[in-house]
Amino acid sequence: DIHMTQSPPSLSASVGDRVTITCRASQSITTYLNWYQHKAGKAPKLLIYDASNLEAGVPSRFSGSGSGTEFTFTIRSLQPEDIATYYCQQYENLYSFGQGTKLEIK
Amino acid sequence: QVQLQESGPGLVKPSETLSLTCTVSGGSINNSYWSWIRQSAGKGLEWIGRIYTSGATNYNPSLKSRVTMSVDTSKNQFSLRLTSVTAADTAVYYCVRWSSNGYYRKHYFDSWGQGILVTVSS
Repeated sequence: DIHMTQSPPSLSASVGDRVTITCRASQSITTYLNWYQHKAGKAPKLLIYDASNLEAGVPSRFSGSGSGTEFTFTIRSLQPEDIATYYCQQYENLYSFGQGTKLEIK
Repeated sequence: QVQLQESGPGLVKPSETLSLTCTVSGGSINNSYWSWIRQSAGKGLEWIGRIYTSGATNYNPSLKSRVTMSVDTSKNQFSLRLTSVTAADTAVYYCVRWSSNGYYRKHYFDSWGQGILVTVSS
């Protein structure tokens, strides 16, 4: 099975800051990686698919990059509504999630 | 878009079996992969397993010995059984659909139930 290591587990940043989350796969997953935003009481929402493609309707301040085993998720300018937990998820071999990054406003 | 709704007991005793059902409405259960995902308090999302409408299954290796999933296409439902539960199985359980579009290289969990809290306690 493929293990996803996501960091940091939590992050405190100010409005307008650039925020970066990393995700590392235990083996190559090419670009079979998604990023989700999960707010309390709601279903997780897809933000990025195939490692770097922005889901329709998602603000352009969100972006993803990477391939193989190393991936990065970036929020270019943090907004108050971005407070949530973010997860990477691989689908190269079945499915698995990173441990999540809880994002808070400083 | 398809809607999913979990149902089942909210309280299960330790060592007993957790049983949940997901009812799919607004669309067919056919020709899709259906998963169960859970989230324990203070922890992340954990994929439990998936079933195809043919009945073929795949499970998370860490839970495989205790998990069974089944599907009833006539009722547009699929189910989860988790045996020998402990407090560590206390979580919100989601039923979820996997969507695939090879042309756009877009594969993701696109439809989620609202989630059901299952507490393991005597």
